Amino acid sequence: DTAVSQTPKYLVTQMGNDKSIKCEQNLGHDTMYWYKQDSKKFLKIMFSYNNKELIINETVPNRFSPKSPDKAHLNLHINSLELGDSAVYFCATSGLANSEQFFGPGTRLTVL
Amino acid sequence: QKEVEQNSGPLSVPEGAIASLNCTYSDRGSQSFFWYRQYSGKSPELIMSIYSNGDKEDGRFTAQLNKASQYVSLLIRDSQPSDSATYLCAVDNAGNNRKLIWGLGTSLAVNP
Repeated sequence: DTAVSQTPKYLVTQMGNDKSIKCEQNLGHDTMYWYKQDSKKFLKIMFSYNNKELIINETVPNRFSPKSPDKAHLNLHINSLELGDSAVYFCATSGLANSEQFFGPGTRLTVL
Repeated sequence: QKEVEQNSGPLSVPEGAIASLNCTYSDRGSQSFFWYRQYSGKSPELIMSIYSNGDKEDGRFTAQLNKASQYVSLLIRDSQPSDSATYLCAVDNAGNNRKLIWGLGTSLAVNP
């Protein structure tokens, strides 16, 4: 039973399209995150929700919009996809403050 | 700008040797420190967390923390080819305790 799952695993799409990535966790954690890892492998925080409230909103183009319908789910919608959006997007969760984060398997997005 | 610095490597060690990975951080208020392992094409996986000065051992892994010098290290004893991966150091952001600051990672190659 996967603790943090993401769909889809791979996403190939054309520039200008709109796409969504979904994340679900069954760990009972309060906080969920979206990270972007580009080809240089740097793990960059994008957003975080705690109990459905947005608590981290880094400098990210407003084409990216996160949504948390409930504590167990966090989605990421991307409008007007650009070549530079190609990366692996990871969802992560954590329980208590200052505690470790657990990652989903990632979604590899390729924009052509 | 709060930073976490790691030597990008690659660090190459022979099988059976001790691999030593180092990380320095800039935020004196940080309280939580984590080591993650990331295999190519996979998500980061937590291998050690440490919160107090000194050593913490778990199997072949030992994390060492020195808050006065602001460094944290990871020792891998009896290195195996399966340890070949990128090791990411992450430190909590004292100003936002739900956020981690990530290093760029050290690539480790264990040669048979």
